Amino acid sequence: DTAVSQTPKYLVTQMGNDKSIKCEQNLGHDTMYWYKQDSKKFLKIMFSYNNKELIINETVPNRFSPKSPDKAHLNLHINSLELGDSAVYFCASSQETGPSVYGYTFGSGTRLTVV
Amino acid sequence: QQPVQSPQAVILREGEDAVINCSSSKALYSVHWYRQKHGEAPVFLMILLKGGEQKGHEKISASFNEKKQQSSLYLTASQLSYSGTYFCGTDRNTDKLIFGTGTRLQVFP
Repeated sequence: DTAVSQTPKYLVTQMGNDKSIKCEQNLGHDTMYWYKQDSKKFLKIMFSYNNKELIINETVPNRFSPKSPDKAHLNLHINSLELGDSAVYFCASSQETGPSVYGYTFGSGTRLTVV
Repeated sequence: QQPVQSPQAVILREGEDAVINCSSSKALYSVHWYRQKHGEAPVFLMILLKGGEQKGHEKISASFNEKKQQSSLYLTASQLSYSGTYFCGTDRNTDKLIFGTGTRLQVFP
């Protein structure tokens, strides 16, 4: 069983479209995150949810909206996609809020390409 | 705010050693280290808490000097499987981990 699974793995779409990325974890973790990795490999936090409650909302355009229907799922919806949104988006989870002594478990990533 | 790692890239032959440094401009509560292989997810290696401890993970160990706001990752007798990009993640006792600029390590036979 995959601990943190993301779908889709690849996403190619045109500018202006709306798309969603889904994430599910079966580790029983309380906290989930979205990170964006750009072409220079920089990993930047976007959002964090603890047991369905938003706890971190970095400076991210309003076009990005996370949703957590339950503590095992965290989805990311992106409206009006722009070329600059092209990146790899990673979902991650941790046992507790904030950096856990057990570290973060990352999903395999979703490579988003906006054309 | 993003921690700076050095060097940016390292090329090694199997069996050689390497040190990767992570430096923050802010006071740190803990430091994480992750390895990301090409096209894969980052994988947690270890965490170092305040106290200047040194930890080990197989032939990979790390130290944390909270006064200098620095951490170093030591890779000894490198193996081909060590290739990848290494990230430190710094925690300032907030709810988030800020990742460093990354160090790309390549090990050749």
